[in-house]
Amino acid sequence: DAKTTQPTSMDCAEGRAANLPCNHSTISGNEYVYWYRQIHSQGPQYIIHGLKNNETNEMASLIITEDRKSSTLILPHATLRDTAVYYCTPSNDYKLSFGAGTTVTVRA
Amino acid sequence: DTAVSQTPKYLVTQMGNDKSIKCEQNLGHDTMYWYKQDSKKFLKIMFSYNNKELIINETVPNRFSPKSPDKAHLNLHINSLELGDSAVYFCASSHHSKQETQYFGPGTRLLVL
Repeated sequence: DAKTTQPTSMDCAEGRAANLPCNHSTISGNEYVYWYRQIHSQGPQYIIHGLKNNETNEMASLIITEDRKSSTLILPHATLRDTAVYYCTPSNDYKLSFGAGTTVTVRA
Repeated sequence: DTAVSQTPKYLVTQMGNDKSIKCEQNLGHDTMYWYKQDSKKFLKIMFSYNNKELIINETVPNRFSPKSPDKAHLNLHINSLELGDSAVYFCASSHHSKQETQYFGPGTRLLVL
């Protein structure tokens, strides 16, 4: 299983973009990169996922490097409600492998 | 309408007891999961069922037994509860294919005294 490395924590100003990096250098060719977040011990919430191409949805954008060894989740205009732990996880064979994630604190 | 629901939300019990946690999804998904989140907040998969068939069984004590009466339900029964079983247990579901997005329930907070 691919392992991921994320910063432990990150602060962001409200209204600014938040860029969350993730290193997944051992990801295999058929593994998607998924991003979830967990707000104050609620159930993890799906944000976005991708395989090779960059992706965008109503919540965020996902930039995946060409070699697929890392990715960046972009929250374009962070709000206080985006304060959460963000997890980058490969998905293979039904399994998600959550690491420690990045604790993002959005400040007013 | 809640997509993935779990009962109970909180469960406090004595060591040695047997307890069950229930999970239901109304998304029409074929695959359901149980995850455990310990005090250090690491989220680890325990089991996965696809169409009522066990497909993932991680290194979990055999005191834990999942049961899937139908595709919409995956219950977790725990025998002889131990202090170390205290954690938050999350149920999730997804469509049948291996790369599908998983949708999580709100969690069941289990405290073993």
